[in-house]
Amino acid sequence: NAGVTQTPKFRVLKTGQSMTLLCAQDMNHEYMYWYRQDPGMGLRLIHYSVGEGTTAKGEVPDGYNVSRLKKQNFLLGLESAAPSQTSVYFCASSYVPKETQYFGPGTRLLVL
Amino acid sequence: GNSVTQMEGPVTLSEEAFLTINCTYTATGYPSLFWYVQYPGEGLQLLLKATKADDKGSNKGFEATYRKETTSFHLEKGSVQVSDSAVYFCALSGGSNYKLTFGKGTLLTVNP
Repeated sequence: NAGVTQTPKFRVLKTGQSMTLLCAQDMNHEYMYWYRQDPGMGLRLIHYSVGEGTTAKGEVPDGYNVSRLKKQNFLLGLESAAPSQTSVYFCASSYVPKETQYFGPGTRLLVL
Repeated sequence: GNSVTQMEGPVTLSEEAFLTINCTYTATGYPSLFWYVQYPGEGLQLLLKATKADDKGSNKGFEATYRKETTSFHLEKGSVQVSDSAVYFCALSGGSNYKLTFGKGTLLTVNP
């Protein structure tokens, strides 16, 4: 099993550009999550999904959109990137909310 | 709402020293408690967990006990190794909240 994979690993964007981060999991998990990690802030939840076709907002959803068209994939979109979105983005998945979340290796995004 | 407070780092120890990283939490009901570890350049991975009061989670020589009376889940290891150098995150999951609530992380450096 690959677990949770993320693409790309690293990306540089200019302000105003758009991009999509892809997360895939092969564990048949219902729940998927997108977090961002910033120095001194821990991890903050951006959006999450409780199943195929569903999405919901987390703590810091502004400037991001998500889609869960297939159970195994969870996409995070930035429509118009801003320097404040420079961060490391982690995807995670779990069977149920109170159980272990499995994390991907992260995507490092730099917005100039 | 839920919150996690963990000891500020960085923590620097010599090999074979005793490690304690304090973690306290605020939550309604009976949350599950976790310690995640993040090695340099990688995503988070579960280190140990406990799902009810007085449970002890353990893995790789690390231990933590779920103390409801003191709302704590302190991480301990009797003899640290250089390979334990990483960032450690305390987290909780509970209530009707789907997300993991993370502490801000504690950077541990172990010197030979």
